[in-house]
Amino acid sequence: NAGVTQTPKFQVLKTGQSMTLQCAQDMNHEYMSWYRQDPGMGLRLIHYSVGAGITDQGEVPNGYNVSRSTTEDFPLRLLSAAPSQTSVYFCASSYGKGNTEAFFGQGTRLTVV
Amino acid sequence: GDSVTQMEGPVTLSEEAFLTINCTYTATGYPSLFWYVQYPGEGLQLLLKATKADDKGSNKGFEATYRKETTSFHLEKGSVQVSDSAVYFCAPRAYGQNFVFGPGTRLSVLP
Repeated sequence: NAGVTQTPKFQVLKTGQSMTLQCAQDMNHEYMSWYRQDPGMGLRLIHYSVGAGITDQGEVPNGYNVSRSTTEDFPLRLLSAAPSQTSVYFCASSYGKGNTEAFFGQGTRLTVV
Repeated sequence: GDSVTQMEGPVTLSEEAFLTINCTYTATGYPSLFWYVQYPGEGLQLLLKATKADDKGSNKGFEATYRKETTSFHLEKGSVQVSDSAVYFCAPRAYGQNFVFGPGTRLSVLP
């Protein structure tokens, strides 16, 4: 059972570079989301999607872009990396946007130098 | 807006000690309540959940009861083990809303 798969696990970027964090799920979940985790701040929602073709902003969307062309995939794009985007990024999925549990990927640790 | 309050820790206990991690929340509507656990270097995993008032969620010796009147969902375990060392997150989720995560409580259990 693959669940939610994130790639890469680790990444180092230079300031100003762009990159895409990949997220895929094989559970046919409608709802997918991206969080960043920083010390002392818990998890903060970046963007989310309630289905293919539909995305919306979360709490901290600036500097990030998303698209949802398929149910399975929800990539997160960093347009021009900044040191403030150094963080651990988690992708999560759940069955709809009800009050159901979420399944998380293993995370991507990103360092911007 | 919706929010969660939980102690950040670190909480340090000896093996076989009793654990309580308090969680109180404010949420729109009638949320389901979740506890997630994050082991070092891993993503979050569901530990337990409760979907209505007075429900008790339980798993791996951990328990939490949905207290609507006090908007609380405190996590307890009678006898912790070294393998319970992790970060624990309380998270309500109302229908049609996103999760609201607390800051997480880091637990260290010493042998």
